Amino acid sequence: DIILTQSPATLSVSPGGRATLSCRASQTISTNLAWYRQKPGQAPRLLIYGASTRATGVSATFSGSGSGTEFTLTISSLQSEDSAIYYCHQYNNWPPAFGQGTNVEIK
Amino acid sequence: QVQLVESGGGVVQPGRSLRLSCAASGFSFNQYAMYWVRQAPGKGLEMVAVAWSDGRKKFYADSVKGRFITSRDNAKNTLYLEMNNLRVEDTAVYHCARGIGIILHYFDFWGHGSLVTVSS
Repeated sequence: DIILTQSPATLSVSPGGRATLSCRASQTISTNLAWYRQKPGQAPRLLIYGASTRATGVSATFSGSGSGTEFTLTISSLQSEDSAIYYCHQYNNWPPAFGQGTNVEIK
Repeated sequence: QVQLVESGGGVVQPGRSLRLSCAASGFSFNQYAMYWVRQAPGKGLEMVAVAWSDGRKKFYADSVKGRFITSRDNAKNTLYLEMNNLRVEDTAVYHCARGIGIILHYFDFWGHGSLVTVSS
């Protein structure tokens, strides 16, 4: 099974600052990677699919990059509403897997 | 608009059974694979089961294989998860999610979830 490792576990960023989240896959997954944001008490929301394509309605402040085993989610200008846990998800191989999440906090 | 609404959760003793439902609206349900994804309290996300659009192909996580059964009624736009021989470690919020993709899928819409608590 493919294991996704996210880093850091927690990220504290000032409003307007830049956040860079990493997701590493234990085997190559091409660009079959998605990113989700989950706020407390809410369902996850799709941000990025295909490693770099923003989902409908997602702010341009979110960008994804990478292929193979190394992926990055960048939030270019952090707002208070971006305080959440961010998960990566590989859908290249069965079983689909999620990373353990990165908790993004606003300073 | 797309809506997914789960129901059927509750408190159940270990070894007992429970059935969850996911009512879908706002899209052509019979054209999409549908997933169950769970989240234990304070933990991350775990894929549980998937039913392909026509309901013939189904796959399960190893942790639930042989105990859980997913099915769908495309005429009623509803996805089901029959959970048998429940264990304490099955305690979680169970979300249904719509799958997008050709072979495997990412999830573009999620329900808010239904809480299942397994406790004696």
